[in-house]
Amino acid sequence: DQQVKQNSPSLSVQEGRISILNCDYTNSMFDYFLWYKKYPAEGPTFLISISSIKDKNEDGRFTVFLNKSAKHLSLHIVPSQPGDSAVYFCAAVSYNTDKLIFGTGTRLQVFP
Amino acid sequence: KAGVTQTPRYLIKTRGQQVTLSCSPISGHRSVSWYQQTPGQGLQFLFEYFSETQRNKGNFPGRFSGRQFSNSRSEMNVSTLELGDSALYLCASSLARAGVDSPLHFGNGTRLTVT
Repeated sequence: DQQVKQNSPSLSVQEGRISILNCDYTNSMFDYFLWYKKYPAEGPTFLISISSIKDKNEDGRFTVFLNKSAKHLSLHIVPSQPGDSAVYFCAAVSYNTDKLIFGTGTRLQVFP
Repeated sequence: KAGVTQTPRYLIKTRGQQVTLSCSPISGHRSVSWYQQTPGQGLQFLFEYFSETQRNKGNFPGRFSGRQFSNSRSEMNVSTLELGDSALYLCASSLARAGVDSPLHFGNGTRLTVT
């Protein structure tokens, strides 16, 4: 049972444009959501997070949006840069369980 | 400050054998979590240890086990290896509750290949 889903396995975007990565979840008990970025041969690194009491969190070029009614979150990268090319994982956690559940990942490629 | 260290980086084992993976968390971090990454499955949660106690467990068979020592270092053991156990095993540490109070910091993983 995949509670956190990233339905797009890959995304290709031109440098300077916006990248939008999507994530859907099924468990309404999730309280906190995070995005991680992973380069080949490295472990994932934390990117940005959002609490369920908010609908938007911004950090430089990265913005995460949360739509609780749709059980959907998205990560916007503006402007996209070649160095953003990586696999992006969304993750969700419930304060009750403390178990961090990851999605399957989306491979982003930013081309010049 | 040194990051999360996982050893070894690569392992090749045959079916039926057992394997032990090691993880040294960031100094001061008390929580250690283990994840399995396979193509198409993302990061699957194995278990989390906090102060030497298993605090959370994922949906993996009993062949997968772990432990945490008093210095917060952790080991993961897989017995009776199967071909499907071939994966990248990632360890992550955090100050407190994994993912909630503080983000996870991941190591570079151990690539296990079972032949």
